[in-house]
Amino acid sequence: EPEVTQTPSHQVTQMGQEVILRCVPISNHLYFYWYRQILGQKVEFLVSFYNNEISEKSEIFDDQFSVERPDGSNFTLKIRSTKLEDSAMYFCASRETGFGSPLHFGNGTRLTVT
Amino acid sequence: DQQVKQNSPSLSVQEGRISILNCDYTNSMFDYFLWYKKYPAEGPTFLISISSIKDKNEDGRFTVFLNKSAKHLSLHIVPSQPGDSAVYFCAASYNQFYFGTGTSLTVIP
Repeated sequence: EPEVTQTPSHQVTQMGQEVILRCVPISNHLYFYWYRQILGQKVEFLVSFYNNEISEKSEIFDDQFSVERPDGSNFTLKIRSTKLEDSAMYFCASRETGFGSPLHFGNGTRLTVT
Repeated sequence: DQQVKQNSPSLSVQEGRISILNCDYTNSMFDYFLWYKKYPAEGPTFLISISSIKDKNEDGRFTVFLNKSAKHLSLHIVPSQPGDSAVYFCAASYNQFYFGTGTSLTVIP
């Protein structure tokens, strides 16, 4: 069964450094998402991406964050200058199209900012 | 702005019995509802969904019920199995997906 893959599974970085989290969505999916889950808290929406542009973003997704689909398969989340509070599990998700199609999640990248 | 709420952080059930997980929402614009299951160190896995035009959807041991007037969603698992032990998230959608905080289900053999 096709799946969303994320790399790396764990990333440790120092405060102020840039990180890029990578995702390969399911190949025939058209909508792409990033979510995060801070330890013990709910899964929070960051951004959605469709047709090579951001379709919606949350207030968490400030100027420090950016997304890109550099080629036909990868979808990346960049955090320009990481803060301690960026430490979380970051989940990439994709869905096929339109109403009634569920999100399919990757296994996440655990980001630890020290 | 907690639009989707799961008020029970944990639930324990004996193997073979019914597990009932509950979810409440506040936004009447939601038109699609889902349940996800999550094991440690894995991403959420889609289980079952229901659109707002229905009140019940069944898939094997899993049934989702929607009560729009009460803005309430529930997931029934019958019979419960030890492998069902996981964190269950409900989610609701109209433009984007909103998730509850999860209920940790433990099925006791």
